[in-house]
Amino acid sequence: QQQVKQSPQSLIVQKGGISIINCAYENTAFDYFPWYQQFPGKGPALLIAIRPDVSEKKEGRFTISFNKSAKQFSLHIMDSQPGDSATYFCAASIRGSQGNLIFGKGTKLSVKP
Amino acid sequence: KAGVTQTPRYLIKTRGQQVTLSCSPISGHRSVSWYQQTPGQGLQFLFEYFSETQRNKGNFPGRFSGRQFSNSRSEMNVSTLELGDSALYLCASSLDSLSRGYFGPGTRLTVT
Repeated sequence: QQQVKQSPQSLIVQKGGISIINCAYENTAFDYFPWYQQFPGKGPALLIAIRPDVSEKKEGRFTISFNKSAKQFSLHIMDSQPGDSATYFCAASIRGSQGNLIFGKGTKLSVKP
Repeated sequence: KAGVTQTPRYLIKTRGQQVTLSCSPISGHRSVSWYQQTPGQGLQFLFEYFSETQRNKGNFPGRFSGRQFSNSRSEMNVSTLELGDSALYLCASSLDSLSRGYFGPGTRLTVT
């Protein structure tokens, strides 16, 4: 029940295309859902996060869509660029426990020029 | 502000030895969390400290331990190292448990 399932494992997108990564969870006590971006040799960096009281959040080219009834959330990267090539992780945590993140397995995104 | 600092960045140890890793959080941050990252298991939560107290602990054996000092700096210790402990160990700092976390660059531990 503590798992966060992420798909796909890898994704190849053409420059300018839309990258979509999906995550699903079981624990209804989760109330914080961040997405992290990690480049080789670096620690994960927070991209965007959402709470279950909203269905969508947009920051620049990055959008989280959240479906509370289906217990799913997804990251959309619009106008994907080669510089977006990285590994993306979804995560979830229980209220008041954002230091205890449950991560998905990651998606390696490659954006081809 | 300086980011999260982790030392050392790279470490090679022999099976059976012990190791101590250090994390200096962003100035003013009181919460530090530790994660283990491996290709097979991904990112797994180890423990979280706030104001020198362990708040949460992940599902790791007792060989993994940590502590936090009064200046919020944190250390984690792994005793009796096993080959499977080879991983990138990441720490994240935040103001408190309700705030976003900022990750450091990690310590790459190799056990031979």
